[in-house]
Amino acid sequence: KQEVTQIPAALSVPEGENLVLNCSFTDSAIYNLQWFRQDPGKGLTSLLLIQSSQREQTSGRLNASLDKSSGRSTLYIAASQPGDSATYLCAPSSNTGKLIFGQGTTLQVKP
Amino acid sequence: NAGVTQTPKFQVLKTGQSMTLQCAQDMNHEYMSWYRQDPGMGLRLIHYSVGAGITDQGEVPNGYNVSRSTTEDFPLRLLSAAPSQTSVYFCATGYMAGQPQHFGDGTRLSIL
Repeated sequence: KQEVTQIPAALSVPEGENLVLNCSFTDSAIYNLQWFRQDPGKGLTSLLLIQSSQREQTSGRLNASLDKSSGRSTLYIAASQPGDSATYLCAPSSNTGKLIFGQGTTLQVKP
Repeated sequence: NAGVTQTPKFQVLKTGQSMTLQCAQDMNHEYMSWYRQDPGMGLRLIHYSVGAGITDQGEVPNGYNVSRSTTEDFPLRLLSAAPSQTSVYFCATGYMAGQPQHFGDGTRLSIL
């Protein structure tokens, strides 16, 4: 059974710092891995999707890497801003589309 | 373009009552799914559908029914509500399995 762990559970940083959020998963037989953002009381917003054959994916200040063999993914946020404050979730997916979620990392960026 | 629309946004039920949570999408996505989010448990898959007429169980299907008669709609039915089903329910859709998934804003359900 796939299990997903995200470290740290919570993070508070001053504005402008570069951040790394970590995600590990136990079953390396994944189809892809998706990173989401969730604001309080809201749904999930897809940030990046990395196919199992890819090593990384970039969107603006966000960069996600994937090491499938070791069961790890990282989300790098450059030059953090207060608007980045949210909970970040990683979810590896099987080829049937089933997402298995971690507990998330709650990020607070202070002005 | 509404994306993924979930109704209602909030609902309070009594134990034993039944209800249907609605999910509609206008993106012509084949793949639709339902998750529940609980504190300390994260998001867990209830049921999913890879296209009209096809549904399958996820991780926590007991107490829930689904059907997919059209591409656009994927309702989730609670047959006899129990307090353990108090949760936030999210519908997600994707062009197909393995493609980026888009989530609705959720239905917050309390069962007394």
